[in-house]
Amino acid sequence: QVQLVESGGGVVQPGRSLRLSCAASGFIFGDYGMTWVRQAPGKGLEWVALISSDGRNTYYADSLKGRFTISRDNSKNTLYLQVNSLRAEDTALYYCAKRSLWNFDSWGQGTLVTVSS
Amino acid sequence: EIVVTQSPGTLSLSPGERATLSCRASQSLSSSYLAWYQQKPGQAPRLLIYGASNRATGIPDRFSGSGSGTDFTLTISRLEPEDFAVYYCQQYGRSPSWTFGQGTKVEIK
Repeated sequence: QVQLVESGGGVVQPGRSLRLSCAASGFIFGDYGMTWVRQAPGKGLEWVALISSDGRNTYYADSLKGRFTISRDNSKNTLYLQVNSLRAEDTALYYCAKRSLWNFDSWGQGTLVTVSS
Repeated sequence: EIVVTQSPGTLSLSPGERATLSCRASQSLSSSYLAWYQQKPGQAPRLLIYGASNRATGIPDRFSGSGSGTDFTLTISRLEPEDFAVYYCQQYGRSPSWTFGQGTKVEIK
């Protein structure tokens, strides 16, 4: 079955950078677009970014463009999210999910990023 | 950018009752682009409904979706104890981009 396991979260000081990873298994990773969605504590879901199956096309939420970079390594079945210049408002649980046409049909359990001095 | 608004914010119901959740888009969108997710405390979201009315794999038939244009509805015909959760609608928009509603919490009355 599909398994997505995020890692790389932690407590980070404002202004620093972080790279999140999502290890995928149970499906042909290179056949699917992948996405990151985040959820601030006690808040709703916010779509962050999506990358096409071959990695050539990337898309970002307008409000987040510039500091976030999504990438993937299909040889390692791994998705990444690089976040630069972290701010307090980036504190959230970051989920990776598998794209299925116009929605996301499988989700990981998330990795928590806390931005605090 | 299409904005999706869910109502009500909280729905207080008893097990066995019918739940009706609303999702309204600021512009008309294809039914194919509307999905619903369920999220229980401490868990990741789970896809319930895609294409406005199609149940995802393994979703019980007490869950149903309907609607078109700007108005969409998720109905839970008879609430089971495990159905008390937060529900999000999500729309796909051009760019491409994805937008979630703010969620409706279904709580035990």
